[in-house]
Amino acid sequence: KNEVEQSPQNLTAQEGEFITINCSYSVGISALHWLQQHPGGGIVSLFMLSSGKKKHGRLIATINIQEKHSSLHITASHPRDSAVYICAGIKAAGNKLTFGGGTRVLVKP
Amino acid sequence: EAGVTQFPSHSVIEKGQTVTLRCDPISGHDNLYWYRRVMGKEIKFLLHFVKESKQDESGMPNNRFLAERTGGTYSTLKVQPAELEDSGVYFCASSQDAASNRGLYNEQFFGPGTRLTVL
Repeated sequence: KNEVEQSPQNLTAQEGEFITINCSYSVGISALHWLQQHPGGGIVSLFMLSSGKKKHGRLIATINIQEKHSSLHITASHPRDSAVYICAGIKAAGNKLTFGGGTRVLVKP
Repeated sequence: EAGVTQFPSHSVIEKGQTVTLRCDPISGHDNLYWYRRVMGKEIKFLLHFVKESKQDESGMPNNRFLAERTGGTYSTLKVQPAELEDSGVYFCASSQDAASNRGLYNEQFFGPGTRLTVL
């Protein structure tokens, strides 16, 4: 079992819909990175969080430490949100990342 | 401020050849990480430098891979000799000072990756 599990693997939404991506992680991971990768593009950090909730524009990330679960929400989705979204766990020692498999999101106009 | 850069963006080589990938981190970032995504799998950690020292190289697949960071600035990752299973995208990331030693989390900034194809 991977230390970081994401769901769903693929997601298709209509423009304007609310999108949720889930991430579960195992013991030893103290914080999470949410990352975005556009087709053919590099990886961009969206959020890093170890507790509570963070919001940036239409993106919201939450984390529940007790349940070892995090969610990334996209409100009022837009075709330009189409990308792979990756959850990565941070272990305190060294800060190296343990990655989930990614969620491929396609937002149709 | 320039971000993390990687060179080359693509490399196609034959099995048995040598390839060297380069990563230039954000200026002043002590931490430098190498990661790799092999086709169909999740991205995996390879190693972590703090300045010029290897902090953690537990993810290096075997001794055909050699990473260096002379002077604590840019880093190179050499694969010699390359095998078919080394094909994938190699990402580099950097983060600020060695605060990780105090249990703090520093955001990692990623380069665009190098796509390596071994034929």
